[in-house]
Amino acid sequence: AQTVTQSQPEMSVQEAETVTLSCTYDTSESDYYLFWYKQPPSRQMILVIRQEAYKQQNATENRFSVNFQKAAKSFSLKISDSQLGDAAMYFCAYRRFFGNEKLTFGTGTRLTIIP
Amino acid sequence: GAGVSQSPSNKVTEKGKDVELRCDPISGHTALYWYRQSLGQGLEFLIYFQGNSAPDKSGLPSDRFSAERTGGSVSTLTIQRTQQEDSAVYLCASSLGDSGLAKNIQYFGAGTRLSVL
Repeated sequence: AQTVTQSQPEMSVQEAETVTLSCTYDTSESDYYLFWYKQPPSRQMILVIRQEAYKQQNATENRFSVNFQKAAKSFSLKISDSQLGDAAMYFCAYRRFFGNEKLTFGTGTRLTIIP
Repeated sequence: GAGVSQSPSNKVTEKGKDVELRCDPISGHTALYWYRQSLGQGLEFLIYFQGNSAPDKSGLPSDRFSAERTGGSVSTLTIQRTQQEDSAVYLCASSLGDSGLAKNIQYFGAGTRLSVL
């Protein structure tokens, strides 16, 4: 079975600074997908960024980028120019490559932005 | 609809009562998922629907939990004889259901917070 680990329960960053959230996972499969979701106090999970494991290039979405290290099974999220609206719980998630598979989530990292 | 809609937003019930939680997916999405988020925990998968059938029920924690989906659209998650450990946020997600990544992104509702007293 696949597992996802987020070892940082809480993180904080000064507004406009850069912060990196860590995620590691365990799988025996070679093809899969990885995601970062954001959950603000409204509870609705919002997709931040996604990565296909067969792609070597790291995904980027505006101020959000990932550092995907397949051999190390590491998938960290970097948030540049942090904004107050970035404050939320961030969840790393894994999905198998084929079919309509469930997401396997880590336990989340609570990110606080300091004005 | 524009997004995944869940009702009620909050539900308080007494131990031993039955509850029904509703999920209305994005129009045209054939795949529907239920997850449970307990306090301080990540999301735990409960059940997956493709159309009206449930090929994966592996996450349902006990036989007190059941779910159905009718007309390939609305789904109801039922918890019978609720226990205090059932207190959690129940989140629903839907996706287009095709195998390609872009079409298989899961979009979430805002969840139902269930409190069992």
